[in-house]
Amino acid sequence: EVQLVESGGGLVQPGGSLRLSCAASGFTFSSYSMNWVRQAPGKGLEWVSYISSSSSTIYYTDSVKGRFTISRDNAKNSLYLQMNSLRAEDTAIYYCARENIDYTNHPYYYYMDVWGKGTTVTVSS
Amino acid sequence: QSVLTQPPSASGTPGQRVTISCSGSSSNIGSNTVNWYQQLPGTAPKLLIYSSTQRPSGVPDRFSGSKSGTSASLAISGLQSEDEADYYCAARDDRLNGWVFGGGTKLTVL
Repeated sequence: EVQLVESGGGLVQPGGSLRLSCAASGFTFSSYSMNWVRQAPGKGLEWVSYISSSSSTIYYTDSVKGRFTISRDNAKNSLYLQMNSLRAEDTAIYYCARENIDYTNHPYYYYMDVWGKGTTVTVSS
Repeated sequence: QSVLTQPPSASGTPGQRVTISCSGSSSNIGSNTVNWYQQLPGTAPKLLIYSSTQRPSGVPDRFSGSKSGTSASLAISGLQSEDEADYYCAARDDRLNGWVFGGGTKLTVL
């Protein structure tokens, strides 16, 4: 079964740090780009960061640049998000999501097809 | 403020057909395909439509997607009570080098 399982969330004070993990199973993790997406309480989905299959390409949304670092370990089938200088507005459920490619057209089409159940991050004093 | 614009709510009665719109710009919907997600209360998003019109295996053919220019739509026919959920559109944005989402549409089955 294709599965993503996030962990590492919790309660942290403003200015603190957390490291989220996402364990992948049931597919060849090293062949896929991955994303982190978050959802603040009662709000919509917000893309946070992207990492290519080989880690050669990384992108962040503006609000986390310089504070968050995405990484992966293909040998361990794991994705990570190091979050520093946390703010109240970072409070959210954090989902990892696999990025798949539709090769039936050219240019190729991209979509996030497998999502974990999420891990909750609460930034509060 | 979400980059993609969706109506905050939609509703219909069982058996009806409802549509949810998603409006973007040339850097996202205008140059990329649209994906739709269904999020039931307390659960993770589930892929409903990819590449603007394609359904993953297991998604009923009551769900369909379309795209024209910088807008897209999700249609749900034969509405059922279990369709009550939040629906999000998403697209890659070439200017932002990332994914953008709509604000979500809460679908109520009356």
